[in-house]
Amino acid sequence: GAGVSQSPSNKVTEKGKDVELRCDPISGHTALYWYRQSLGQGLEFLIYFQGNSAPDKSGLPSDRFSAERTGGSVSTLTIQRTQQEDSAVYLCASSLKTRSYEQYFGPGTRLTVT
Amino acid sequence: AQSVTQPDIHITVSEGASLELRCNYSYGATPYLFWYVQSPGQGLQLLLKYFSGDTLVQGIKGFEAEFKRSQSSFNLRKPSVHWSDAAEYFCAVGEGLTGGGNKLTFGTGTQLKVEL
Repeated sequence: GAGVSQSPSNKVTEKGKDVELRCDPISGHTALYWYRQSLGQGLEFLIYFQGNSAPDKSGLPSDRFSAERTGGSVSTLTIQRTQQEDSAVYLCASSLKTRSYEQYFGPGTRLTVT
Repeated sequence: AQSVTQPDIHITVSEGASLELRCNYSYGATPYLFWYVQSPGQGLQLLLKYFSGDTLVQGIKGFEAEFKRSQSSFNLRKPSVHWSDAAEYFCAVGEGLTGGGNKLTFGTGTQLKVEL
């Protein structure tokens, strides 16, 4: 079956612009996670969704970062007023609620802020 | 807070040789432990996981890992490496989140190179 998909695969933006990154989880997976992979910080958790609600946003690095999920499916991560330190690969993962440790990852979106 | 240490940044082995990638964790309770592999341009793929029970766990692609509580370790092994195993390997520990989810905390990764 189809895995987790993310778009775009690559995004280059100018400092100060807003960007939106999209994640389409595996069908039927109610849990969705965003992680960030950067040279300086490694792989780090950003936010967790269960259905459309986000009970844990503890990993979001600043208030410039926000995310939403609609219809219990697609999620969008928005970064406002991008900074160079936002350059990273943004990974999305999904899982069944009952098997929440078995997270399936998408290929990621590579964001470059110039 | 829990943490994961992968002391080897790069490892090079010859094809057919055995492999062991080291992982140490810091976690107060019984840990949920994972190994993931990431090939260039790809997402993370789960190799194996440990929750409880038998401390030697088998995974995909011929990999296994052994949980040693006394050493706070969860090392990944493979008896005979194939050239296609060249990739980056991440050890991770899981932690419950508010609302029932689970966050993975990853080590910094070990880049494996396989010499033919």
